[in-house]
Amino acid sequence: EVHLVQSGAEVKKPGDSLKISCKASGYNFASHWTGWVRQIPGKGLEWMGVIYGGDSGTTYSPSFQGQVTISADRSINIAYLQWSSLKASDTAMYYCVRHDYDILTGEGSDAFDSWGQGTMVIVSS
Amino acid sequence: EIVLTQSPGTLSLSPGERATLSCRASQSVRSSYLAWYQQKPGQAPRLLIYGASSRATGIPDRFSGSGSGTDFTLTINRLEPEDFAVYYCQQYGSSPRYSFGQGTKLEIK
Repeated sequence: EVHLVQSGAEVKKPGDSLKISCKASGYNFASHWTGWVRQIPGKGLEWMGVIYGGDSGTTYSPSFQGQVTISADRSINIAYLQWSSLKASDTAMYYCVRHDYDILTGEGSDAFDSWGQGTMVIVSS
Repeated sequence: EIVLTQSPGTLSLSPGERATLSCRASQSVRSSYLAWYQQKPGQAPRLLIYGASSRATGIPDRFSGSGSGTDFTLTINRLEPEDFAVYYCQQYGSSPRYSFGQGTKLEIK
């Protein structure tokens, strides 16, 4: 069974750095993309970017390019989302997602078929 | 850039009724790469429909998706109490690579 388990909630100050994680299990991490989705409290879903577990290639939404960094360690099946200098406007719930499409087999859609439980990030002075 | 617009913003219905949710794209969605997600309060979203009309694993058959090009519909027959939630459509495959609609809240009348 596919599982995505995210790191716990964080409370930070503006200007702090932060790296949150998403541990994948139950499937071949290296053959799927892993993405990140932001949800500001009371608002909708925003796609941030995606990383391919096989070669760690990344694609970012234009809205988040340069604002965050997505990385992965395929030896331990973990994807990361990091900020070098947080702002109050980064306060949100962040979800990691698995893309259904298996790059090695060519099977599946590219929809987000599994979601982590979410990591709440609060940035406040 | 493809923009998805969902309507209505809020839909008030009673259990047992049928819900019809709309998602309109600003440009044609490539190969019907359109998905629907359900999000309940305090929970992560859940994939319901992909490829515009294919149900995800474990999704009851009262959920159905249809449409192509720029107009897509999620239909929920015989609403159950657990179906009242927020629903998002999403396109995948066109720039920006993935984008979501703003959501439709399905509430109990």
